[in-house]
Amino acid sequence: AQSVTQLGSHVSVSEGALVLLRCNYSSSVPPYLFWYVQYPNQGLQLLLKYTSAATLVKGINGFEAEFKKSETSFHLTKPSAHMSDAAEYFCAVSVARSQGNLIFGKGTKLSVKP
Amino acid sequence: DSGVTQTPKHLITATGQRVTLRCSPRSGDLSVYWYQQSLDQGLQFLIQYYNGEERAKGNILERFSAQQFPDLHSELNLSSLELGDSALYFCASSVARDSIIYNEQFFGPGTRLTVL
Repeated sequence: AQSVTQLGSHVSVSEGALVLLRCNYSSSVPPYLFWYVQYPNQGLQLLLKYTSAATLVKGINGFEAEFKKSETSFHLTKPSAHMSDAAEYFCAVSVARSQGNLIFGKGTKLSVKP
Repeated sequence: DSGVTQTPKHLITATGQRVTLRCSPRSGDLSVYWYQQSLDQGLQFLIQYYNGEERAKGNILERFSAQQFPDLHSELNLSSLELGDSALYFCASSVARDSIIYNEQFFGPGTRLTVL
């Protein structure tokens, strides 16, 4: 069975600092991995996705993530945090391209201090 | 704006009642998913429909049911509501081409259900 673990339910950074949100997955088959962001009182927005092409994936708003098979990780990073990045971030895994339902991690709430 | 619409935005009802949540997918998307988000369970997949047919089932209670209509909109029916059903319910849709359902999902804004 597939699963996702997000380390740290809350992460706080200063504006301009590096953002690192951790995600580890468990999958018996090559996974498809996603990061979504949820702003308060809104739905989920796709940040980026890994679908077995390049291991370093660039997304929207300056975020990127690196797929590391040896570490079963897909951590999300952004070089310089902005106040508008404050939101909840979810890592998700899907078992195959044609099997669509996503399995989500518990989420990490990112706070950005001025 | 993802292009997925959900109504109503908020719903307040009493235990034992039945409600219907509605979702319209993005134009052209054939596959619709329902998820429940609660503080204790997080985001849980409930059910998926593809072109009117049930495709996959997740942690959906027997009191809950869904369907997808010929115009591709979907409804999630929740009956005999309990306090624990209070949650945010999301609908998502994804593209399908040549019978392959691509799993990049676009989420609606959600319906917040409060059961009193």
